[in-house]
Amino acid sequence: GAVVSQHPSRVICKSGTSVKIECRSLDFQATTMFWYRQFPKQSLMLMATSNEGSKATYEQGVEKDKFLINHASLTLSTLTVTSAHPEDSSFYICSALAGVMIDTQYFGPGTRLTVL
Amino acid sequence: AQSVTQLDSHVSVSEGTPVLLRCNYSSSYSPSLFWYVQHPNKGLQLLLKYTSAATLVKGINGFEAEFKKSETSFHLTKPSAHMSDAAEYFCVVRDGYGGATNKLIFGTGTLLAVQP
Repeated sequence: GAVVSQHPSRVICKSGTSVKIECRSLDFQATTMFWYRQFPKQSLMLMATSNEGSKATYEQGVEKDKFLINHASLTLSTLTVTSAHPEDSSFYICSALAGVMIDTQYFGPGTRLTVL
Repeated sequence: AQSVTQLDSHVSVSEGTPVLLRCNYSSSYSPSLFWYVQHPNKGLQLLLKYTSAATLVKGINGFEAEFKKSETSFHLTKPSAHMSDAAEYFCVVRDGYGGATNKLIFGTGTLLAVQP
């Protein structure tokens, strides 16, 4: 149980285009989802926290207009990288909580974004 | 602010020998601490967690960690390494006082290599 999927696993796009990444909880309802960014050979940095039906809370330094997060249902959150540039190339990982009383985050396999 | 420091970026062991991955934490509260493992092209998997219960925590795949408040450490150990243990390991502390929705703060990771 507690499986989180991400789609796509890899995406290559041209500079200036927008890319949408999906994060789904497959066998549980996720009240809260998190989006992380991981640079090569570095740790994960939290970008934002999203709760179903409400606006995401962004970490300091993360541009909310560039990284649009939508948590429209209890099983789906999306991250849209708008007007992507090469510096946005990274590994994006989502995680999900099954509920506030369940304190384990379940992570997706990640999405490798390459912006040319 | 809470933080974790992973003292070794790379650790190499021979198959069948013990594994020790070191982690020190900084926290104003009684922390919640986790170890996650990341295999290539796979999502992060929770190995074990400490949330103020028993100080010796047993996890999956034969791993365990001991919470030592006097040393502010939470080192990960395994008596006998297996080739399949080769991966990146992250020590993680949860920010704030309690609260499953509080963000996770990741260490910089330790890459474990297992030699045949």
